[in-house]
Formats: sequence, C-alpha cells, structure tokens
Amino acid sequence: AQSVTQLGSHVSVSEGALVLLRCNYSSSVPPYLFWYVQYPNQGLQLLLKYTSAATLVKGINGFEAEFKKSETSFHLTKPSAHMSDAAEYFCAVSGDWTGANNLFFGTGTRLTVIP
Amino acid sequence: NAGVTQTPKFRVLKTGQSMTLLCAQDMNHEYMYWYRQDPGMGLRLIHYSVGEGTTAKGEVPDGYNVSRLKKQNFLLGLESAAPSQTSVYFCASFPGRASGGPQLDTQYFGPGTRLTVL
Repeated sequence: AQSVTQLGSHVSVSEGALVLLRCNYSSSVPPYLFWYVQYPNQGLQLLLKYTSAATLVKGINGFEAEFKKSETSFHLTKPSAHMSDAAEYFCAVSGDWTGANNLFFGTGTRLTVIP
Repeated sequence: NAGVTQTPKFRVLKTGQSMTLLCAQDMNHEYMYWYRQDPGMGLRLIHYSVGEGTTAKGEVPDGYNVSRLKKQNFLLGLESAAPSQTSVYFCASFPGRASGGPQLDTQYFGPGTRLTVL
C-alpha cells in the first residue's frame, strides 16, 4: 500500500526566502513520487516527479525535490519564493503503474508568499 | 489537443436528484480516473478504468457509479445526491501500459467540476 504525509497544511514565507514543503511517503514497492501544484480554481499541474532515474529532481518554475530513501522523504524546495508561487501543493505516490497507476495524494500544503 | 475536459464546470443539485459528470480526453489514453477534492483531505480516488468497458472502485466509491462505454469518455453518476457529495470533482487520464510508465508520462488532469448538493 502507498500513502504520503504532508507536514504543515499552511506554510508562509517572505518573497525571496527559501521554500520548503515537506512530504514523507510509505510504500511497499519502489515508489514513484510526484509534486503537483494547484492555483485557485484550477486543476492540478505536475511540478516534478521521481521515477528512480535520479534522486535530485528538477521541475518547472525553479522547484526541485530530493528523494531520500533512508528518510522516506521527498521534500519540495525552491531557493527564492516569488509571489506567483502562492498556491496549494500536493505530494502524491504511486507504485505498480502497470496495473492502474493509481495516485495517492497527501492532504496538501497551502503556500502563502508575503511581500 | 484539448487534453482532458469536464462537463459541466459548476452544478447545484437538491438532495435526491441525480446527475452525470462527463470526462472526455482526446489523447487516446487507456486509463481514466475520477477523484474528489475536499478541504483538508487532498484528492481521493472514487473510481477508475484501465480500458474501454472496464471500471473499478477506488478509495471512496460509495454513492457513485461510472461507465466507460467509449475509450475517450468516462462518466461519473450520482443516482441520489447527498450533501456529503458536495465537492470538487477532477477527472484524469494516463496513457497506460504502452506509455512506458511514469518515467515517460504522467496523469493529466481536467479543470474540475464544482458540485454543490443542497
């Protein structure tokens, strides 16, 4: 079975500050891990994904995430927050994609960027 | 390509009414999914389909039915709506086995349907 836990339902950072959104996963098989972003009243957009090719994954809009098996973590970071980063972020995990590739989502973290 | 589209965008129902949400994709994807999104709970899988004519239950299937009569369409039905079904519903699709997996592709999400049941 797969699941993810996102620590912190709300995170506030100042513009220009480091963004760190935390995600820990649980998986009985080698996981695929994803970060999605949702802007107000919109659908989900893929930021980045880990598929075992490299532990440090770079995504769109300057975001990156590092897969740490020993810590079962996949935290999302961005060196310098921009006002346009304000959104809700979801971590997700899947396992055996050949069956159905079902995604299991965390409860989300709402990021606020303070001018 | 329009990608994944959902109809309608908004709907208000009274308790006990029925309705069908339509999801359509023009990417020839094998797998399709219906999720609901509720505050503080993320997205939860309702039903999914791994091919035309097939459906399966997800995490929260009660009160919903689905059909996949055509490969490009995935319908979500509420036979007797309840206030607990007030939510935002998202449809998604994934290429399937021929894609090579998440290494090469991902789930594509529709824009959502906001449903209110009074």
